[in-house]
Amino acid sequence: SQQGEEDPQALSIQEGENATMNCSYKTSINNLQWYRQNSGRGLVHLILIRSNEREKHSGRLRVTLDTSKKSSSLLITASRAADTASYFCATDNAGNMLTFGGGTRLMVKP
Amino acid sequence: SQTIHQWPATLVQPVGSPLSLECTVEGTSNPNLYWYRQAAGRGLQLLFYSVGIGQISSEVPQNLSASRPQDRQFILSSKKLLLSDSGFYLCAWSVGSSAVYGYTFGSGTRLTVV
Repeated sequence: SQQGEEDPQALSIQEGENATMNCSYKTSINNLQWYRQNSGRGLVHLILIRSNEREKHSGRLRVTLDTSKKSSSLLITASRAADTASYFCATDNAGNMLTFGGGTRLMVKP
Repeated sequence: SQTIHQWPATLVQPVGSPLSLECTVEGTSNPNLYWYRQAAGRGLQLLFYSVGIGQISSEVPQNLSASRPQDRQFILSSKKLLLSDSGFYLCAWSVGSSAVYGYTFGSGTRLTVV
């Protein structure tokens, strides 16, 4: 079953704009991770935020985590056409596996 | 450096035929290994995971099975494929739990059952 649910399911923006994707989950977590998937390819790990962290940055990526609301957001600043991909959140519930959401399909138009 | 190999990249198989997908990891020891399936435009569904040789945990009862005959080899199999087995199959590995480095995924196998 899916733990995380991304919102929106699809997002289309112009190059240079910021893209924000949200993820909600249901149970307590150890950490939450964001992955990127180019069409027809495997997933690539982007960033991990632990349950005791509220915000994390990596280059043009900014992730926030609100454990009281069981939600996270991924912000991509100054988007580029190359950022076009699907983005997935995944939660680590202290087991041996990650549970992935349904993803947000991001299209960045040149 | 660690690498993960998954093959074949694409596969078209008739209904009722057997299946064998292989995944191997290089550059690490005793990885956790995972098989996921992704339907078109959807999220990932965990099928199997393994924390060691011969240890397989199944998340979803289905027409598939998995085996780990060697430390860094993970095989997904079926004796008789169904149309519903079509999808994008992804192998992944992690060092212990995902807490530190996350998962590293293979490039996937696109399976079409006809």
